[in-house]
Amino acid sequence: EIVLTQSPATLSLSPGERATLSCRASQSVSYSLAWYQHKPGQAPRLLIYNASNRATGIPARFSGSGSGTDFTLTISSLEPDDFAVYYCQQRSSNWWTFGQGTKVEIK
Amino acid sequence: EVQLLESGGNLVQPGGSLRLSCAASGFTFSSYAMTWVRQAPGKGLEWVSTISDGGDHTYYADSVKGRFTISRDNSKNTLYLQMDSLRAEDTAVYYCAKAPPHSSYFDYWGQGTLVTVSS
Repeated sequence: EIVLTQSPATLSLSPGERATLSCRASQSVSYSLAWYQHKPGQAPRLLIYNASNRATGIPARFSGSGSGTDFTLTISSLEPDDFAVYYCQQRSSNWWTFGQGTKVEIK
Repeated sequence: EVQLLESGGNLVQPGGSLRLSCAASGFTFSSYAMTWVRQAPGKGLEWVSTISDGGDHTYYADSVKGRFTISRDNSKNTLYLQMDSLRAEDTAVYYCAKAPPHSSYFDYWGQGTLVTVSS
């Protein structure tokens, strides 16, 4: 089973600042990594798939990078609506795993 | 517009059973694999189970294998999760999610349904 480790657990930033979230896999997942945004009481929302492709309707301030075992989600300038929990996710064979999440909170 | 609407969540005693449903619309349901993901209180997302588009292949997390059964009725555009021998640690919001063909991610999710296992 591939384990995904996200860091930091919590990121305290102000609107307008840049957010950099990390996801590290215990073994290579090539480019097969996705990022989701999740707010309380709402459905999770796909942001990035295949490491760097923005999903439909996702603003350009969200970008993903990386391959192999190290991945990054960057939010270039935080909007008030961006404060949420972010998860990375991978699939290996017929097993899917999520990271433990990074909470982006208002400083 | 893709819509996924879960139902069936409830309070159930340990050892009991529950069946969740996910009604799908806005896409050709029979062409897509479907998945259940859960979130326990204060915890992160956990993959539970996936079923292929035709329903002939099913996959389960170790934590639910032998107790949960995923199924689908493509004529009714509905996904199911039969949950037996429920434990306190199964308490969670359960989400259904759709996966694009030959993909590793989930592009649309429902709002979730709450399952509480408690005496």
